[in-house]
Amino acid sequence: AQTVTQSQPEMSVQEAETVTLSCTYDTSESDYYLFWYKQPPSRQMILVIRQEAYKQQNATENRFSVNFQKAAKSFSLKISDSQLGDAAMYFCAYEAGNQFYFGTGTSLTVIP
Amino acid sequence: DTEVTQTPKHLVMGMTNKKSLKCEQHMGHRAMYWYKQKAKKPPELMFVYSYEKLSINESVPSRFSPECPNSSLLNLHLHALQPEDSALYLCASSQETGLAGTQYFGPGTRLTVT
Repeated sequence: AQTVTQSQPEMSVQEAETVTLSCTYDTSESDYYLFWYKQPPSRQMILVIRQEAYKQQNATENRFSVNFQKAAKSFSLKISDSQLGDAAMYFCAYEAGNQFYFGTGTSLTVIP
Repeated sequence: DTEVTQTPKHLVMGMTNKKSLKCEQHMGHRAMYWYKQKAKKPPELMFVYSYEKLSINESVPSRFSPECPNSSLLNLHLHALQPEDSALYLCASSQETGLAGTQYFGPGTRLTVT
């Protein structure tokens, strides 16, 4: 069965510093997508970054980058130069076939 | 336009009421989803529509009844709900199901059942 695990329920980071959120997943598929979604308090869930499993190169979107280790089934999110607006719940997610699985989430606090 | 809209934003209903949630997208996506999200928890998939046909029903109680009138619209009809059904109901859409990638989420309807 596919599962997505986020082992850090809460994280905090000083403004302008770097933080890494962890995610591991379990799958027997060879082709799949991985995502990080951000959900600020009482606001809409938005896509931060996505990674296709067949691509070896790690995805990057401005201050957000991932470390995708396919063999280890690990997909961490690095946020550089953290800003107050980065404070949110971050969900790691996995998609293959018709199934879409979310991790339990990491609540990120940004300290001014 | 990468927007998914949901109405109403908030809904309070009694256990004997009948109400409907509405979701709309104009991105030409052929897959649409309903999720239920409790506070500080991940969204739980309820239903998936692919090309306007119900493709996944995650053992959701019959008091929740989805409907996809056309490729842009998705409804969730509610009847005889329980207080534990109070949650944020999220709609999402994607190009297609199955390795189609990104789901775009609406802002949600916050439902309170009294």
